[in-house]
Amino acid sequence: NAGVTQTPKFRVLKTGQSMTLLCAQDMNHEYMYWYRQDPGMGLRLIHYSVGEGTTAKGEVPDGYNVSRLKKQNFLLGLESAAPSQTSVYFCASSPRGGGHTGELFFGEGSRLTVL
Amino acid sequence: DAKTTQPPSMDCAEGRAANLPCNHSTISGNEYVYWYRQIHSQGPQYIIHGLKNNETNEMASLIITEDRKSSTLILPHATLRDTAVYYCIVRLPHTGANSKLTFGKGITLSVRP
Repeated sequence: NAGVTQTPKFRVLKTGQSMTLLCAQDMNHEYMYWYRQDPGMGLRLIHYSVGEGTTAKGEVPDGYNVSRLKKQNFLLGLESAAPSQTSVYFCASSPRGGGHTGELFFGEGSRLTVL
Repeated sequence: DAKTTQPPSMDCAEGRAANLPCNHSTISGNEYVYWYRQIHSQGPQYIIHGLKNNETNEMASLIITEDRKSSTLILPHATLRDTAVYYCIVRLPHTGANSKLTFGKGITLSVRP
């Protein structure tokens, strides 16, 4: 099993450009999440999904959109990138509750720089 | 979710036990205590969680006080590879919207040779 895979791992954008980060998990998990992490700070939740076709806002959703068309994939889009979106982005997934530990499985991160 | 308070940093000697404290005085009766760690530049990794009783697994032990207002994560024999940021998180049972985790700044553990 690959677990949680993020693509791309590194990207440099110019202000105003758009891009999509892809998160793929092969564990058949119901729940998926996108976090961002800035220097000296913990992770902040951007958006999350509790199932295919459903998404919800987290703490810092502005400037981002997401889609969960397939259970295994969770896409994070930046329509018009801004320097404030320079960050490391982490995707995570977890199984539905009911006997599970509630553990989130994280990807290795995607480092995005907006110039 | 209840808020947690952790000191910003601590260190310990390699081979000794590392005791990482966490305060969660506003925890409610059905909220769990979770611990994750993040080694530099990597994604966070689950360590352990508990509700009321002390818990132990192959990575660590979790001691929760009787009033549940604080807890301690114990790494029994710290190694250099345990140098990381450790997050103490409190959350409701893992279903639906409650499944998300809210991270604070965590505590940076430095293990010295």
